[in-house]
Amino acid sequence: DAKTTQPPSMDCAEGRAANLPCNHSTISGNEYVYWYRQIHSQGPQYIIHGLKNNETNEMASLIITEDRKSSTLILPHATLRDTAVYYCIVRVPGNTGKLIFGQGTTLQVKP
Amino acid sequence: EAQVTQNPRYLITVTGKKLTVTCSQNMNHEYMSWYRQDPGLGLRQIYYSMNVEVTDKGDVPEGYKVSRKEKRNFPLILESPSPNQTSLYFCASSSGLGDSTDTQYFGPGTRLTVL
Repeated sequence: DAKTTQPPSMDCAEGRAANLPCNHSTISGNEYVYWYRQIHSQGPQYIIHGLKNNETNEMASLIITEDRKSSTLILPHATLRDTAVYYCIVRVPGNTGKLIFGQGTTLQVKP
Repeated sequence: EAQVTQNPRYLITVTGKKLTVTCSQNMNHEYMSWYRQDPGLGLRQIYYSMNVEVTDKGDVPEGYKVSRKEKRNFPLILESPSPNQTSLYFCASSSGLGDSTDTQYFGPGTRLTVL
């Protein structure tokens, strides 16, 4: 699975959009970009994933650059409950199923 | 509601006393896995199972056993727990189809302390 690079921390004002970047310059053609988050010590929560097209669901949007070397997770209207560690993971679906969580980005949403 | 459940959520035990942490999923998922999370080390995979009666070691299997007799259950067994197994444990499951729907869903975690 390709390696990812994320900033260690970010702040966001409540109600504003939170844009979390991820670099994955060694991504291969069949690898998907997944985003998870972990709130305090709860179980990691799946947010969204995509291959090359932009994706949107009820939680977030995922923007993947045309060359697929980077992506951005967008939380359109961040709330205090979105304060968490966000992980960007690149992998082939299946593939022994193991998720490799890096250090992630700690997002602090402030009132 | 689709979910992964774990029991117990918290457990304090003593060295050498066998224990089992249960994991159950109601999504008819083929794939299940156990992770442990330790400060500074992130989540590390202990064991995984691609289907009933099919299990394999992850990155840190020493001191642990698993079984997969039914699709929905994947218990983690510590035959003789030691203090270095004090950790936060997560069970996860996914369809295992290897396609774009193959996302993992995690349980709430079990915080284990071995004295």
